Amino acid sequence: SAVISQKPSRDICQRGTSLTIQCQVDSQVTMMFWYRQQPGQSLTLIATANQGSEATYESGFVIDKFPISRPNLTFSTLTVSNMSPEDSSIYLCSVEQVAGETQYFGPGTRLLVL
Amino acid sequence: AQKVTQAQTEISVVEKEDVTLDCVYETRDTTYYLFWYKQPPSGELVFLIRRNSFDEQNEISGRYSWNFQKSTSSFNFTITASQVVDSAVYFCALLSGNTGKLIFGQGTTLQVKP
Repeated sequence: SAVISQKPSRDICQRGTSLTIQCQVDSQVTMMFWYRQQPGQSLTLIATANQGSEATYESGFVIDKFPISRPNLTFSTLTVSNMSPEDSSIYLCSVEQVAGETQYFGPGTRLLVL
Repeated sequence: AQKVTQAQTEISVVEKEDVTLDCVYETRDTTYYLFWYKQPPSGELVFLIRRNSFDEQNEISGRYSWNFQKSTSSFNFTITASQVVDSAVYFCALLSGNTGKLIFGQGTTLQVKP
């Protein structure tokens, strides 16, 4: 399976600010995804990061709040914009080397917004 | 609609006991995939197993075994002779063959006491 890293691993931020989370894979992958896991909750898909085009967002998530980039087949970023305490969560990226195959997850970014 | 239900929110056992984690799913797809992931306190999501809808063979891997029954739409996970290191949150997930989206259950927190 691919080796996935995320930066930062954790951060504490002030409300109203923005944070960009990076996801790096050690090999080219077809699909990259971003998930949010609120405290004590399950994982919710935010969006599919599409290489070279705009991300595909799930219901309840919008580009202005969670802009995503994917400039190539090994890298993606998720920005959490204008943060509020409700954005405190673990953010995880995942990859599929082939569409429809197993998703492997990065170590996650723990975000606390004060 | 696609749905995964893990009715057990928390389970507590004593080391060396066997424990079964239940997972029931709903889908109208004829092709789909089922997964189990483990999330230890560190937060990383660890892939355990993938099963496709056409393969109902049970699987055993060391102390872990999985029972897939399409007739009851269940994909249960048993840990034999549990160990303290098995303490984690376990997620069952369903990948739709049509949408390509991974849908998670609410997770079961397993605590194994020494």
